[in-house]
Amino acid sequence: GIQVEQSPPDLILQEGANSTLRCNFSDSVNNLQWFHQNPWGQLINLFYIPSGTKQNGRLSATTVATERYSLLYISSSQTTDSGVYFCAVSLGATNKLIFGTGTLLAVQP
Amino acid sequence: NAGVTQTPKFQVLKTGQSMTLQCAQDMNHEYMSWYRQDPGMGLRLIHYSVGAGITDQGEVPNGYNVSRSTTEDFPLRLLSAAPSQTSVYFCASSPLGGGGTGRLGHGYTFGSGTRLTVV
Repeated sequence: GIQVEQSPPDLILQEGANSTLRCNFSDSVNNLQWFHQNPWGQLINLFYIPSGTKQNGRLSATTVATERYSLLYISSSQTTDSGVYFCAVSLGATNKLIFGTGTLLAVQP
Repeated sequence: NAGVTQTPKFQVLKTGQSMTLQCAQDMNHEYMSWYRQDPGMGLRLIHYSVGAGITDQGEVPNGYNVSRSTTEDFPLRLLSAAPSQTSVYFCASSPLGGGGTGRLGHGYTFGSGTRLTVV
């Protein structure tokens, strides 16, 4: 089956720093989404981005489908950005999402 | 608009006991699914449904049953709990099509999770 790998597995930042999270996938996908799981466990959908670039405030994401990777950029990080960031992909016409193992981000004041 | 509601939030079971995790959504989403989350392993798909009366297996279906009698509800049943089923369980829903985004690109909505411990 498709493999979804995220890097780095862990990241510690000082408040105000920028960061880039990476997601590599092993097959062509029709859907790629980024999620944030906050320290209370809630999963929030950040981006639906099968290709191209999107921005939402301090967050932006870029997917290069032909090279099978996606990047999530966090600028001017805040302590509320802490948590786990997951990318998830689906194949063909299916809704089934396959998740990566996540990047654990800790933003220190 | 409550979104996706999961109950209970916490549960402790003894080995061999049975229980049902409830999941309800009020967004008229056709697609619903159950995931389990274990440390270091991300989320793994247990079962999913593309509409009332239709269910199918995901990556890790053994030990779990599901049914979908209505669009709104998608309960997950553990018939004989085992310690290996200790995990956090998430229910999710989405519009059908577009890889879960539907026409409006809304994407997935997750419930708040159920933390299950089997002793």
